[in-house]
Amino acid sequence: DAKTTQPTSMDCAEGRAANLPCNHSTISGNEYVYWYRQIHSQGPQYIIHGLKNNETNEMASLIITEDRKSSTLILPHATLRDTAVYYCIVRAAYGTYKYIFGTGTRLKVLA
Amino acid sequence: DAEITQSPRHKITETGRQVTLACHQTWNHNNMFWYRQDLGHGLRLIHYSYGVHDTNKGEVSDGYSVSRSNTEDLPLTLESAASSQTSVYFCASSESSASGRGETQYFGPGTRLLVL
Repeated sequence: DAKTTQPTSMDCAEGRAANLPCNHSTISGNEYVYWYRQIHSQGPQYIIHGLKNNETNEMASLIITEDRKSSTLILPHATLRDTAVYYCIVRAAYGTYKYIFGTGTRLKVLA
Repeated sequence: DAEITQSPRHKITETGRQVTLACHQTWNHNNMFWYRQDLGHGLRLIHYSYGVHDTNKGEVSDGYSVSRSNTEDLPLTLESAASSQTSVYFCASSESSASGRGETQYFGPGTRLLVL
């Protein structure tokens, strides 16, 4: 599985868009990009995933570059409840279903 | 509603004791996973299973074992608890499919284990 690199921490003003970057320069063609978040010590919560195309759901948008070497998770209107650690994970679509977590980005939403 | 549960939520034990952490899911998922989380390490994979009677070692499997006798449960056993195994443990499950699509893992609430 390809490794990911994320900034250690970020701040965002409440009501503004939070843009969380992730580098995955060794990603291969059949590997998906997944995003999870963890609030306090709760279990990781699934946010969104994608392969090539940009994706959007009720929680966030995922922008994947054309070469697929990086991606950005966008929380369009961050709230205080979005304060969490955000993990970017790359995993294969076939065979191995296991995730390899990095250390994530600690997002702090400021009032 | 389908869910994934873990028990106990908190556990204190002594070094050398055997401890079993339970994980139960009602989604009928084939794949189940155990992770531990420690400061500075994110989540690390301990063991995983792709179906009944299947088990595989993850990156930090020493001192842990699992068995899968049915679809719903994957108990994690610490054979002889050590202080280094003080951690928060998370269980997860996911579907598997022949379509080749990436399958999303869903996590339980975690078990906090303290080994004295």
